[in-house]
Formats: sequence, structure tokens, C-alpha cells
Amino acid sequence: NAGVTQTPKFQVLKTGQSMTLQCAQDMNHEYMSWYRQDPGMGLRLIHYSVGAGITDQGEVPNGYNVSRSTTEDFPLRLLSAAPSQTSVYFCASSPRTVTYEQYFGPGTRLTVT
Amino acid sequence: AQSVTQLGSHVSVSEGALVLLRCNYSSSVPPYLFWYVQYPNQGLQLLLKYTTGATLVKGINGFEAEFKKSETSFHLTKPSAHMSDAAEYFCAVSDYGNYGGSQGNLIFGKGTKLSVKP
Repeated sequence: NAGVTQTPKFQVLKTGQSMTLQCAQDMNHEYMSWYRQDPGMGLRLIHYSVGAGITDQGEVPNGYNVSRSTTEDFPLRLLSAAPSQTSVYFCASSPRTVTYEQYFGPGTRLTVT
Repeated sequence: AQSVTQLGSHVSVSEGALVLLRCNYSSSVPPYLFWYVQYPNQGLQLLLKYTTGATLVKGINGFEAEFKKSETSFHLTKPSAHMSDAAEYFCAVSDYGNYGGSQGNLIFGKGTKLSVKP
């Protein structure tokens, strides 16, 4: 099993550009989520999904869109990048049973200039 | 709403010394609690978790944590630090407990960076 994979590893965008961060998992997990990590802020939840076709907002959803058409994939879209979106983005998945522990991808480091 | 407080954004210990990283939580329902570790430029890896049952839980790499309901704490310890323990550690609480309607989201503390001196 590859677990949770994320692409790209690094990305530089100009203000106003759009892009999609990809996330995939091969563990057949119901739950998937996106976090951003900023120094001294811990991880903050952007969006999450509890199954294909179901998504919801987390703590910091503004400027981001998600969709979940399959169990495996959960892309995160930046509609019009802003410097405030410079961050490290992590995708996670969970079987959402028993213990609710989450499994994390390696992250995408995004810089918006 | 649940929240997590990690006391000390930076902790420095000598190799071989006790590691103690503090975590306090607030939760209106019995919580599920987690410690994750993040090595430089990597994702988060689960160290250990508490769900129900025994309040002292053992994890990987010699770490353990004790759930103390009366103190709303879940501190992480390791008897003897190793250079390879240098990393950032995150405490998290799941919003799912013995209560219906949760989505299973995690609420993270701000993290504690552990340095180990030779």
C-alpha cells in the first residue's frame, strides 16, 4: 500500500493563479481531510469529507474548494492564490471507525509570490 | 468545543534525560487523544493514542502517555532521550467520543519542538 500520496511536493504560484493539490489514498478510507500548517499555528483543518460526494468546511475554508467524486481522491483547489496561502498542506485519511486515527501524506509546500 | 493546549513551544533536553511534553485538552465528551511526531520536511506519524481502557498507553520509539481525566491532561514521556527524538510533536483530540454525530475531525495543539543536546 502506498498509503496517502500528495502531488506536487513543491509549488510556486504567482498571486491570482489557480491550481489543484492532489491527494489520493489506497486504504479505502471513508474520511479524508486537508490541513494547512503554519509556523506556531499547528495544523488547521481546511475541508474534510466523510465519503464520496460529501464534503464540509473546516476551520479555515476561505479561498479553497474541494470535491470528492471517488473514495480514493480528494483534490484541493486554490481558486485565486494569495500570499496568505503560502503554507505546507497536508492531506490525511481515516477509516473513521473505532479510533478515528488519521494517516497523513508527505505534504505539499506552496509558496505564493 | 474541543481544544488542545501544548505547554512550551520549544523543549530542550540532554541525551539520556527524561523527555516530558505537556498536553492539556478540553472536551465536553470523553475524548480520543493522540500524539503525532513530525520529523523535518516530513508528514505526521502517529506515536500513540488513547481511546478507552488503560490510561497509560505505550507507543513507538519508547514513548508513552498517561490520560488523566481529573487533570484533563495527556502528557508524553520518554525515560531517556535519544538524538533521533529531535522533532516536532503534536497533541490532538478527536471530536468523536461517546457521543453521536461527530465527523471524526482532529483538533491539534500548536506543537512542541524537541531539541536533544549531545
